[in-house]
Amino acid sequence: KAGVTQTPRYLIKTRGQQVTLSCSPISGHRSVSWYQQTPGQGLQFLFEYFSETQRNKGNFPGRFSGRQFSNSRSEMNVSTLELGDSALYLCASSPGTGGTYEQYFGPGTRLTVT
Amino acid sequence: SQQGEEDPQALSIQEGENATMNCSYKTSINNLQWYRQNSGRGLVHLILIRSNEREKHSGRLRVTLDTSKKSSSLLITASRAADTASYFCAARSGSARQLTFGSGTQLTVLP
Repeated sequence: KAGVTQTPRYLIKTRGQQVTLSCSPISGHRSVSWYQQTPGQGLQFLFEYFSETQRNKGNFPGRFSGRQFSNSRSEMNVSTLELGDSALYLCASSPGTGGTYEQYFGPGTRLTVT
Repeated sequence: SQQGEEDPQALSIQEGENATMNCSYKTSINNLQWYRQNSGRGLVHLILIRSNEREKHSGRLRVTLDTSKKSSSLLITASRAADTASYFCAARSGSARQLTFGSGTQLTVLP
């Protein structure tokens, strides 16, 4: 099976712009979670989608949003970018939500905000 | 907030030696998972241990869980240079649906 793919891999944006990141989960996986990783804050949970519904949300401002499509692919959007949004954004898929499912991570999208 | 905190933050050993990393967490958990991350890349799932388990093995990996102390340890035996990476514990508690990651241990295995 193909792994989790994320596009683009690298992105440079300017403050105030918006950005959309894409994640394609492993075939058959219905849950997609997003994480932000920075040197200062570590890995922080953004949100989880399952069957096109947001199931859980982390402590991030409303500028961060996401959605999931019927084929389980997911996108996350960050509006009005700030310098502090520079990070590695990781997407993870799993067969189901919650419980004891392990998560399979993509390679990440490296976002740099200048 | 971070559920798990790893100790040490960094560890440097010689190839062939064993590496032990510890993780402490704050609330009761359903399970605890360990992940590895090579520099700037995605995370790779290593092992999951449920709250009713005390020890689990997978190849050169051995994970223990002590729920009374709210702690877990990851032992890598006979380390290799390829084991150089950051290792994270992640806890899933009963009330939270998401995984909460610790700050990670940076392991360097010298050839």
